[in-house]
Amino acid sequence: GNSVTQMEGPVTLSEEAFLTINCTYTATGYPSLFWYVQYPGEGLQLLLKATKADDKGSNKGFEATYRKETTSFHLEKGSVQVSDSAVYFCALSDKRSNTGKLIFGQGTTLQVKP
Amino acid sequence: DGGITQSPKYLFRKEGQNVTLSCEQNLNHDAMYWYRQDPGQGLRLIYYSQIVNDFQKGDIAEGYSVSREKKESFPLTVTSAQKNPTAFYLCASSIVVDRDGYTFGSGTRLTVV
Repeated sequence: GNSVTQMEGPVTLSEEAFLTINCTYTATGYPSLFWYVQYPGEGLQLLLKATKADDKGSNKGFEATYRKETTSFHLEKGSVQVSDSAVYFCALSDKRSNTGKLIFGQGTTLQVKP
Repeated sequence: DGGITQSPKYLFRKEGQNVTLSCEQNLNHDAMYWYRQDPGQGLRLIYYSQIVNDFQKGDIAEGYSVSREKKESFPLTVTSAQKNPTAFYLCASSIVVDRDGYTFGSGTRLTVV
């Protein structure tokens, strides 16, 4: 079945460091891929998405490229800020299933220190 | 502005009581979902509904019930049969067969006392 695997956290970085959070997936067909962010005590917010191979999603300085050959969708940011501290979830949607259901990874906690 | 509203934000329940969590959306989305989140863990799907008057069990439906009488509303009842109900509950909605993913509510934190 479809699944998403994220790197285990927590990831602890100093402000202005480069961020990579790895995400790989297993899916039949051609899923859409998403990154969500969850700040403490809140719901999840869509950060970026990509709907086909080689698409690059970007938002607020974060980027991720849909790599079909490596089944990956790694999240990157060139210079993190303390305000980026949150939990990040990778997810996929199998467009062929017709349900709109998303499958989430376990989440990766990012802590950015001043 | 369109969005999805969960209420209450915090809820306390005595053991043996049923409790209902509210979820309302004005996005005109067809599908709605309930997830449970435990500390340090990912999201687990409880129930989902693609159309009014229809819903399906997710991965952890035991001890929960839902209804979908209106497109805008998808309440979740946590029954006394749920062995460990203390958790953070998230409601979400989406356009079925969608490329935009989910819109989430801000969550309800349920504590059994």
